[in-house]
This record gives sequence, C-alpha cells and structure tokens, in this order.
Amino acid sequence: AQTVTQSQPEMSVQEAETVTLSCTYDTSESDYYLFWYKQPPSRQMILVIRQEAYKQQNATENRFSVNFQKAAKSFSLKISDSQLGDAAMYFCAYGETSGSRLTFGEGTQLTVNP
Amino acid sequence: GAGVSQSPRYKVAKRGQDVALRCDPISGHVSLFWYQQALGQGPEFLTYFQNEAQLDKSGLPSDRFFAERPEGSVSTLKIQRTQQEDSAVYLCASRRYQGPSDTQYFGPGTRLTVL
Repeated sequence: AQTVTQSQPEMSVQEAETVTLSCTYDTSESDYYLFWYKQPPSRQMILVIRQEAYKQQNATENRFSVNFQKAAKSFSLKISDSQLGDAAMYFCAYGETSGSRLTFGEGTQLTVNP
Repeated sequence: GAGVSQSPRYKVAKRGQDVALRCDPISGHVSLFWYQQALGQGPEFLTYFQNEAQLDKSGLPSDRFFAERPEGSVSTLKIQRTQQEDSAVYLCASRRYQGPSDTQYFGPGTRLTVL
C-alpha cells in the first residue's frame, strides 16, 4: 500500500517570505499523480497544485511550485511571497493511476506571520 | 451548483443511533468519493462511485457503514449503530471524469460527533 509522510506538523513564515513544505511517499508504481491540497479552517479542501509522475518538469501555479524528485520519492511544495491567506493546513496526497483513491499525509499547519 | 455541497454540516448523535450524511456533487460529475477525517489527521478513503456503481468500498471500516448513489448523482453515507470512534469529519469529493488525473473537488464536510 502507498504511504505519504509529512514530517513537519507545523511551519511558520513571515509575510512575503518563502517557505517549503516537505512530503515523501512510498510506492512500487512507476506512474502516479501527486497533489498538494490546502484546507483552511472552513474545512473545504482546495487543490493547490498537481504533478504527473511521468513528467520531469516541476509543476508551477503562480506563487506555488513543487520540487519533484522521483528517485527519492520526494514532493515538496514551495510557496513564494507568502500571504496571510496562505495560512492553512496543507496536505500532500498520492493518486494511483489504476484506482481512484487519494492517499493523504498527516498534514502541515502553516502559519503566516504579518 | 457551484461546488460540492454536504448536509448536515454538523451532526450530533447518541451512541447507537443511525445517521445519514448527504452529498450533492458538482452537476455532471461522474465520480464520487467519501473520505473520513479524524481530528488532526489527513482524510482517509472510504468508498468510490462511478455513476451509480460502487467500484471500491475497501475503505469502509465496518459493516455498519453503507454508502449509496442510486441515480448516479446524490450520495448518502449511512452509519448504523454509531460508536464514539465514528466521530470525525466526513468529506465528499466529486470528479468530472473517471480518470485519476482529473481533479477531485471537495465539499465542506459533515462533522459527526457521537456522544
């Protein structure tokens, strides 16, 4: 079974600074999908960014980018120019190609300090 | 509707009661998922529907949990004889197509508290 590990329960960053959230995963598959979701206190999970394992190029969405290291099974999220609205719980998730489910990590609580 | 909706948002049940949680997916979305999120944890997969067919129910923790989607749209997660360990947020997600590359859109969840 696939597992996803987020080793940082909490992180903090100053407004306008850059922060990196870590995620590692374990799988025997060669093709899969990786996601970062954001969950604010309202509980609505929002997709931040997505990476296909077969793509070598790291995904980027505005201020959000990933560092995908397939051999190391690492998938970190970098948030640039952090904003107060970025404060939330961030979850890394693994999606299998053959099935349907997402496997989530334990989450990282991000605080943005003004 | 603009997004996935769930009702009720909060549910308090006495141990042993049956509960039913509703999910309205985004119109036209083929796939529907249920996840259970314990306090301070990441969501855990419960079950998956493609249209009205329940293709994967391997995450349901016991036979007290039952899910249905009879017309391929609205889904209901039913928990019989609730136990305290069932207390959690239950998240529903829908996806436009069946392919795993497509985005899962989540609802706000139902927080179930079993006393």
